[in-house]
Amino acid sequence: DAGITQSPRHKVTETGTPVTLRCHQTENHRYMYWYRQDPGHGLRLIHYSYGVKDTDKGEVSDGYSVSRSKTEDFLLTLESATSSQTSVYFCAISDLAGEIYEQYFGPGTRLTVT
Amino acid sequence: GESVGLHLPTLSVQEGDNSIINCAYSNSASDYFIWYKQESGKGPQFIIDIRSNMDKRQGQRVTVLLNKTVKHLSLQIAATQPGDSAVYFCAENWAGRRALTFGSGTRLQVQP
Repeated sequence: DAGITQSPRHKVTETGTPVTLRCHQTENHRYMYWYRQDPGHGLRLIHYSYGVKDTDKGEVSDGYSVSRSKTEDFLLTLESATSSQTSVYFCAISDLAGEIYEQYFGPGTRLTVT
Repeated sequence: GESVGLHLPTLSVQEGDNSIINCAYSNSASDYFIWYKQESGKGPQFIIDIRSNMDKRQGQRVTVLLNKTVKHLSLQIAATQPGDSAVYFCAENWAGRRALTFGSGTRLQVQP
C-alpha cells in the first residue's frame, strides 16, 4: 500500500461521540486525501491537503474536519459522529509531480456508528 | 472484508477469456484517466492510466482505450484469471484540479 497506514482499521462508536482517524505516510508526498466509500457511490472526496496546514474541502465535507501538522500525518475528525457517517474511509497520497495525478491508497478504516 | 457495493454492475467471464469493462466520464475537459482495481478488504490499486492526447495505452495484460468523442473509457483484460476478480473503478481529472473523480465501479467475477 505504498507506505500508507491507517489507524484504527476498524472502529465502532456511538452517535454523538467524536472520532479521529489517522493516516500516516512514509513517502513524503505533498498531497493527502480522505475519501469515503459507500455502496452505490464509489469513492467520494471528503477533504484533501496540499501541504502542511493547507487543506481544502471535497464534495462531502459536511460533518468532517481535518488537520495536517506535519507532512506524514493527515487526521480526519468527526466532531459528533452520526449513523450516516458509517462507511469505509480511505486515505490516499499523491506527489502530483509534474502532471502526474496518480493517487496511492491506504488499506481503509471501517467505521460503524451505532 | 469491506463491501464495496451491493448493487454494482457485474461482469462475469470465464477464466481465460478477455474482459472489457466500460466507463463513461462526465467532463469534456478531463485530460487524465486512471483505472483502479479494488479487492475485497483492500484499498484501490493503480492498474493503468492514460492522457487525453492518447487513444490507447497498453500494460501487462491490460489495455485502456479512450474515446473522447463519446466520453468513454474502457479497460480490456486479456486472458482473465481468477486473481482478476475485483471491483474496477475509473477515475478522471482535469488541469488545475488536485483530486480525482471516481466512477461507481464494476464488479468482475471470473468463473473457473
